[in-house]
Amino acid sequence: GAGVSQSPSNKVTEKGKDVELRCDPISGHTALYWYRQSLGQGLEFLIYFQGNSAPDKSGLPSDRFSAERTGGSVSTLTIQRTQQEDSAVYLCASSLTGTEQYFGPGTRLTVT
Amino acid sequence: AQSVTQPDIHITVSEGASLELRCNYSYGATPYLFWYVQSPGQGLQLLLKYFSGDTLVQGIKGFEAEFKRSQSSFNLRKPSVHWSDAAEYFCAVGTLIQGAQKLVFGQGTRLTINP
Repeated sequence: GAGVSQSPSNKVTEKGKDVELRCDPISGHTALYWYRQSLGQGLEFLIYFQGNSAPDKSGLPSDRFSAERTGGSVSTLTIQRTQQEDSAVYLCASSLTGTEQYFGPGTRLTVT
Repeated sequence: AQSVTQPDIHITVSEGASLELRCNYSYGATPYLFWYVQSPGQGLQLLLKYFSGDTLVQGIKGFEAEFKRSQSSFNLRKPSVHWSDAAEYFCAVGTLIQGAQKLVFGQGTRLTINP
């Protein structure tokens, strides 16, 4: 079946602009996660959604970052007023309750 | 707070040789442990996982890992590597919260295969 998909695959934006990154999880998966992978920081947890529970936003690096998940499926990660340090690969993953996560191919964000 | 250490940033082995990638974790309870592989430009693929039970777990692509509680380790092994195994390998520990696994990753080990 279809895996986790992310769009766009690459995004180049100017400093100060807002960006939206999209994640389509595997159908039926209840949990959805966002991670950031950068050279200096490795793989960092950002946020997760689990069913109807309030999302765990503990990994979001600043209030410029936000995410939502509509209808328990698609999720959008929004970065406002982008900075150069936001340049990274943003990975989305999904899982069934309590099980392993399946990752998408990522969105490479470059802030110029 | 949980943490994961992968002591080797880069390992080079010859094709056909055996492989062991080290992973040490810090976690107060019985951990959920994972190994993921990332090929260049790709996302993360799950190789294997340990939740409970048999401490030697088998994964895809001929990989296995052994959970050793006394050493807080979960090392990844393969008896004979293939050129296609060249990639970056990540060990992770998960915390189960309300049905979701919150993962903490190690810094990764880059594997190079010599022909």
